[in-house]
Amino acid sequence: EDQVTQSPEALRLQEGESSSLNCSYTVSGLRGLFWYRQDPGKGPEFLFTLYSAGEEKEKERLKATLTKKESFLHITAPKPEDSATYLCAVQKTEYGNKLVFGAGTILRVKS
Amino acid sequence: NAGVTQTPKFRVLKTGQSMTLLCAQDMNHEYMYWYRQDPGMGLRLIHYSVGEGTTAKGEVPDGYNVSRLKKQNFLLGLESAAPSQTSVYFCASSSYLGSVIAKNIQYFGAGTRLSVL
Repeated sequence: EDQVTQSPEALRLQEGESSSLNCSYTVSGLRGLFWYRQDPGKGPEFLFTLYSAGEEKEKERLKATLTKKESFLHITAPKPEDSATYLCAVQKTEYGNKLVFGAGTILRVKS
Repeated sequence: NAGVTQTPKFRVLKTGQSMTLLCAQDMNHEYMYWYRQDPGMGLRLIHYSVGEGTTAKGEVPDGYNVSRLKKQNFLLGLESAAPSQTSVYFCASSSYLGSVIAKNIQYFGAGTRLSVL
């Protein structure tokens, strides 16, 4: 069965305190791994796509990496505006390009 | 360019009532999706469509029906609402260009918060 597990469920950081979020997955026929950001009361917003082990993508204070079994979202020197829920999803090589989502990590950054 | 628009934003139903959620996209995307999001469970796929006139079941299709009569619209119907269908519903759309993974990004609407009493 395809599974995507994110950890931790919630994370509290002080402004400037770097950390990492984890997304582990078990899926056959991985086509790509996606990271989304979701603010309260809004829909998920696309951040990154990774599709091969060893690949890395960066955007401002965020950096996503991918191995054969997991992905990490590294947050360097976070600011309060980075507070959000971060969702990981995997896309399989199959009809419909469907995504299987993890439950998300709720990040709170305090100033 | 509005992207993906969902209506209504909020709705309260009584058990047994019916309703339709509307999703409209202006990006000329082929693929459209309906998800529900519940606390601690992430987004789960209800139904999806790979083109006008086509629909397919996702992970949790029971109690829902969908229609895609026009490429830009995807409707989600609840024929007889149940309290278990209280959730936040999201619509998404994506283009498809074969193996070009970057173009398979799903873009989401702002969601519909539904309560069934």
